[in-house]
Amino acid sequence: GENVEQHPSTLSVQEGDSAVIKCTYSDSASNYFPWYKQELGKGSQLIIDIRSNVGEKKDQRIAVTLNKTAKHFSLHITETQPEDSAVYFCAARQGAQKLVFGQGTRLTINP
Amino acid sequence: GAVVSQHPSRVICKSGTSVKIECRSLDFQATTMFWYRQFPKQSLMLMATSNEGSKATYEQGVEKDKFLINHASLTLSTLTVTSAHPEDSSFYICSAMAGNTIYFGEGSWLTVV
Repeated sequence: GENVEQHPSTLSVQEGDSAVIKCTYSDSASNYFPWYKQELGKGSQLIIDIRSNVGEKKDQRIAVTLNKTAKHFSLHITETQPEDSAVYFCAARQGAQKLVFGQGTRLTINP
Repeated sequence: GAVVSQHPSRVICKSGTSVKIECRSLDFQATTMFWYRQFPKQSLMLMATSNEGSKATYEQGVEKDKFLINHASLTLSTLTVTSAHPEDSSFYICSAMAGNTIYFGEGSWLTVV
């Protein structure tokens, strides 16, 4: 089955700098890669996603890139703000609808 | 966009009792919903796939008699933790698919005392 590895587990950046979180997946048949933001005690909010027919997608300060050949995808947050502090999870879709998650990255934005 | 609602957001129950968590798709129909469990500082682990009108599909290692799932309608799936024990204390979260996008509920914190 699918296996998703996420790095780093923790990331601390200065406010205004960029943050990059990387994930690799094992199943070349996976075709949907969402990113979720989880704040303390809250559910997971979908922040951006990308499908396998696209190499890059951007939404304001957030972007995701996908390298199908290497089987990895990355989340890029530019001009980070304190409210970006959260745990971020990447995922890959296995089969029809099942998601396999990465281990999560705790992002801290230092003022 | 699509909204998935979970209730309750927090629940405390006594050891040995049962507790039910509801997952609703508010503005779309979901023939399939998913239930995840997340322990502190860990990732979300899929527990089971809830199928409307049929039995749920459980992941390996998840006790189907302990975690009862009912998907009685196209907008509601319930997870019942039976004979709860302190080790069942966790964050439970459901998800449903709208179109090609998967949305999550707000999650439910279960504390068994």
